[in-house]
Amino acid sequence: QVHLVQSGAEVKKPGASVKVSCKTSGYTFGASAMSWVRQAPGQGLEWMGWISAYNGNTNYAQKFQGRVTMTTDTSTSTAYMELRSLRSDDTAVYYCARPQGSSWWGDYFDYWGQGTLVTVSS
Amino acid sequence: QSVLTQPPSVSAAPGQKVTISCSGGSSNIGNNYVSWYQQLPGTAPELLIYDTDQRPSGIPDRFSGSKSGTSATLGITGLQTGDEADYYCVTWDLRLSAYLFGTGTKVTVL
Repeated sequence: QVHLVQSGAEVKKPGASVKVSCKTSGYTFGASAMSWVRQAPGQGLEWMGWISAYNGNTNYAQKFQGRVTMTTDTSTSTAYMELRSLRSDDTAVYYCARPQGSSWWGDYFDYWGQGTLVTVSS
Repeated sequence: QSVLTQPPSVSAAPGQKVTISCSGGSSNIGNNYVSWYQQLPGTAPELLIYDTDQRPSGIPDRFSGSKSGTSATLGITGLQTGDEADYYCVTWDLRLSAYLFGTGTKVTVL
């Protein structure tokens, strides 16, 4: 069975950084990719970016370029998302989601982590 | 266009049918697969439909997906109280090289 288990909730001050982890099991992590999606309180879902666990290639949404870094550790089958220069409007639940499908980016997300609440407040 | 447009809400009585539209463009829905997700309150999204009209194992055939041109549609028949949730469409945009999410639709069972 595929599982994506994320790290716990975080409280950060404006200007700080946060790093969220997503530990996977049940499939060959190194042959896959991972996307990160966030959801502000009461709002919709927003795609942040994509990383290949095979070769480390990344594709970040334009909105987050320069402020986000996605990495993977194939030895522990874990994906990470670091967001810097946090602002109050970065307060959201952050999800990891596994892309699947015939295209290189993955046509859909078949498994999701449980979400990690990041609160940015002074 | 950086977002897919969905109606904010739809509603129907138990046992009835609802459809949710997802409007995009030629660089996204018009040339790519669409997927749909159900998000129950306080939980992570769950895949309902992939490759525009395919259901993952375990998803009942009450849920269906289709596409015409640059719009996609999710249909739910035999509406149940457990179907009350937010629903999102997703596709890839070839021009932006990015995933686009729909604005989300809240389904209410009257």
